[in-house]
Amino acid sequence: KQEVTQIPAALSVPEGENLVLNCSFTDSAIYNLQWFRQDPGKGLTSLLLIQSSQREQTSGRLNASLDKSSGRSTLYIAASQPGDSATYLCAVRRTGGGNKLTFGTGTQLKVEL
Amino acid sequence: GAVVSQHPSRVICKSGTSVKIECRSLDFQATTMFWYRQFPKKSLMLMATSNEGSKATYEQGVEKDKFLINHASLTLSTLTVTSAHPEDSSFYICSARSPGTSGRAGYEQYFGPGTRLTVT
Repeated sequence: KQEVTQIPAALSVPEGENLVLNCSFTDSAIYNLQWFRQDPGKGLTSLLLIQSSQREQTSGRLNASLDKSSGRSTLYIAASQPGDSATYLCAVRRTGGGNKLTFGTGTQLKVEL
Repeated sequence: GAVVSQHPSRVICKSGTSVKIECRSLDFQATTMFWYRQFPKKSLMLMATSNEGSKATYEQGVEKDKFLINHASLTLSTLTVTSAHPEDSSFYICSARSPGTSGRAGYEQYFGPGTRLTVT
């Protein structure tokens, strides 16, 4: 059974700081991995999707990496802003799993002025 | 981009009543929709996978007679919580996948904004 863990559970940083969020998964037989953002009481917004054959994806100030063999992914946020405050979730889609996503527990990020 | 809507966004009901939540894909056809449940400060847990025109596939531990799912068209899936109880209070999120096998839409799920259910 796939288990997805995110560390830390919560993080508070001053504005402008670069930060890294971690995601680990137990079964490396994944099709792809996706990072989401969730604002309080809201649904999910997809940030980045990395296919299993890729090492990283970039979008603006966000960079996600994937090391499938070690079961790890990181989300790097450059020059953090208060608007980045949210919960960040990673989710893995297993190979041949019919698009089923297994979510991590999330990292709650607060960027302070 | 692909948009998924949910209605209502928030509902309060009395214990013993039934509540229906709608999930719609607004600008694409979704052969598959997913229903998730999220408890406070917890991650999303998949409840069931809904395929248009066929019965939903429920995850282990999810009562199919309590959580009725209907995927009657390519743009609409409904989740009905029957005889709701306070422990059913939660945040319910749906997502939809297009049938395309190439391009961005075929590889990602698009999520609705969620429905907050409170059972008193």
